[in-house]
Amino acid sequence: DTGVSQDPRHKITKRGQNVTFRCDPISEHNRLYWYRQTLGQGPEFLTYFQNEAQLEKSRLLSDRFSAERPKGSFSTLEIQRTEQGDSAMYLCASSLTGVVYEQYFGPGTRLTVT
Amino acid sequence: ELKVEQNPLFLSMQEGKNYTIYCNYSTTSDRLYWYRQDPGKSLESLFVLLSNGAVKQEGRLMASLDTKARLSTLHITAAVHDLSATYFCAVDIHSLYSGGGADGLTFGKGTHLIIQP
Repeated sequence: DTGVSQDPRHKITKRGQNVTFRCDPISEHNRLYWYRQTLGQGPEFLTYFQNEAQLEKSRLLSDRFSAERPKGSFSTLEIQRTEQGDSAMYLCASSLTGVVYEQYFGPGTRLTVT
Repeated sequence: ELKVEQNPLFLSMQEGKNYTIYCNYSTTSDRLYWYRQDPGKSLESLFVLLSNGAVKQEGRLMASLDTKARLSTLHITAAVHDLSATYFCAVDIHSLYSGGGADGLTFGKGTHLIIQP
């Protein structure tokens, strides 16, 4: 039984560069979520997919952020023209639809923008 | 805008003692989640509470939900060092009875719990 996986686990980039993170959900889960967590705070919801459809994207932090889930399996989160304020942990979670919607989180990608 | 407030934010306690963490939220919800996070790690699901009066227990932890008071509690009984972690509550604004759910959870700031021997 594999959980949610994320790649890379750590990313150091220079300001102005683009970065892309990948998330592989639990295989039978049709919902996939992206969150950002900064130090000392709870996760902040960014966007989510049900299958390949992106059902909520108004919470993405700016138009520099975009996410895709082209075949309803893995997802990517891209940040263009990174800024120092983008430094954070980016978490992915997945769930089944139904009554409970319990979200299972991956290990996260820690982004450092220098 | 949904607000989720936890208190206390920091808690240092002795092994063997009991304590309660409180989670208040600002809008109607009947679906609430508790997570644990160890330093540098991701979030581990502890409890899912559905509907008013729900109570769940696992080992030394017990969680409850009062939807009328918009309050959930996480009670720790006879604390042990291994329970040291940050605990988050998270709320889903969608009603169980209206269909849909978990567009995205709104989390509290977390309670950083240290249990000393």
